[in-house]
Amino acid sequence: QAVLTQPSSLSASPGASASLTCTLRSGINVGTNRIYWYQQKPGSPPQYLLRYKSDSDKHQGSGVPSRFSGSKDASANAGTLLISGLQSEDEADYYCVIWHSSAWVFGGGTKLTVL
Amino acid sequence: EVQLVESGGGLVQPGESLKLSCAASGFTFSGSPVHWVRQASGKGLEWVGRIRSQANFYATAYAASVQGRFTISRDDSKSTAYLQLNSLKTEDTAVYYCSGSRMGDDGFDIWGLGTMVTVSS
Repeated sequence: QAVLTQPSSLSASPGASASLTCTLRSGINVGTNRIYWYQQKPGSPPQYLLRYKSDSDKHQGSGVPSRFSGSKDASANAGTLLISGLQSEDEADYYCVIWHSSAWVFGGGTKLTVL
Repeated sequence: EVQLVESGGGLVQPGESLKLSCAASGFTFSGSPVHWVRQASGKGLEWVGRIRSQANFYATAYAASVQGRFTISRDDSKSTAYLQLNSLKTEDTAVYYCSGSRMGDDGFDIWGLGTMVTVSS
């Protein structure tokens, strides 16, 4: 079982909200992990969006709009990237990352389609 | 302007070596960890390894897939980091990105444009 599991794809309408999940493998506690989120558009390098561990331990990337936010669902052992007020420019791949067992681990990524 | 610029990519044969460079500007390079992340064509991102700052003893860590073959180093006087790739395999073919941090932790928020490494006979 992968350390981080992300749905491979997600579709949402312009103006709506999208919730991208990143589920941690059983035995890895979401509560103790900082989860980093990145956006990547075709042909471009990834861009850092934010880091979230708790409401008192979070960081927004420079220039990243506040409509991008992080949260956690402890019951699902998952981190969430919430994008509100979706725009066509938000169509991209999104990756979550954590530090686990002396290595940084990426999730497989979610392709977000805005249509 | 905050910037990371990778160089040194190219076409090599299996078993050969290559050394990538990552030149930084616009931020305090000496205080930043440097990560290397790769991406095979059409695939997701894979963390390769990182080197921490002098204050963190230049500690390194590597992905299991490259441990023992790849080595990361840095020269803070030149604001440059390096990734030495030895015993290259075809599965190492990817765009290699370097990444740094202004966040004060071990994460990464600054990315270069990447350099392509192709391993093929």
